[in-house]
Amino acid sequence: KAGVTQTPRYLIKTRGQQVTLSCSPISGHRSVSWYQQTPGQGLQFLFEYFSETQRNKGNFPGRFSGRQFSNSRSEMNVSTLELGDSALYLCASSLNVATNEKLFFGSGTQLSVL
Amino acid sequence: GNSVTQMEGPVTLSEEAFLTINCTYTATGYPSLFWYVQYPGEGLQLLLKATKADDKGSNKGFEATYRKETTSFHLEKGSVQVSDSAVYFCALKKETSYDKVIFGPGTSLSVIP
Repeated sequence: KAGVTQTPRYLIKTRGQQVTLSCSPISGHRSVSWYQQTPGQGLQFLFEYFSETQRNKGNFPGRFSGRQFSNSRSEMNVSTLELGDSALYLCASSLNVATNEKLFFGSGTQLSVL
Repeated sequence: GNSVTQMEGPVTLSEEAFLTINCTYTATGYPSLFWYVQYPGEGLQLLLKATKADDKGSNKGFEATYRKETTSFHLEKGSVQVSDSAVYFCALKKETSYDKVIFGPGTSLSVIP
């Protein structure tokens, strides 16, 4: 069974640009969550999608958005990039039918904003 | 609100030393508790979990016991190896399946030969 796949692995952008990151969950998983990881802030929750609906949202500005497709693949978009958006963006999937389920993480997309 | 607190890192230990990483949480009810590990250049992976009070999770020589009275879930290992060098995250998830997982700040562990 393939794991969670995130593309691209690395991205370099400049301030003001926008970026789209992709996440393909494990087959059969309907929940996809996104996290931002930085050395100073640790793991910050961005949002979670379940069956194409955003079910939870973290405290990020509206420049951060996401969506989920009918095949459970998810994308997140960051518009008007700022230097502080440089981070590792992690995607995680789960079946999300039980409270004690684990999350399966991808290897992340490392975004550098110059 | 719900939160997870971990001991500050980085932690540096010699091979075969005893490891403890403290984790305490704030949450109402009976959340599930987890330890995730992140090896360099990789995403997180589940190390162990516990779903109710006094449960002990264990995996790869690591153990943690769900202590409701002290709201703690400390991670321990009797003898660490160089290959255990990683970042360890304590996390919780509330009872309902649609609640998000809340992570602690992570504790970096380096094990030297």
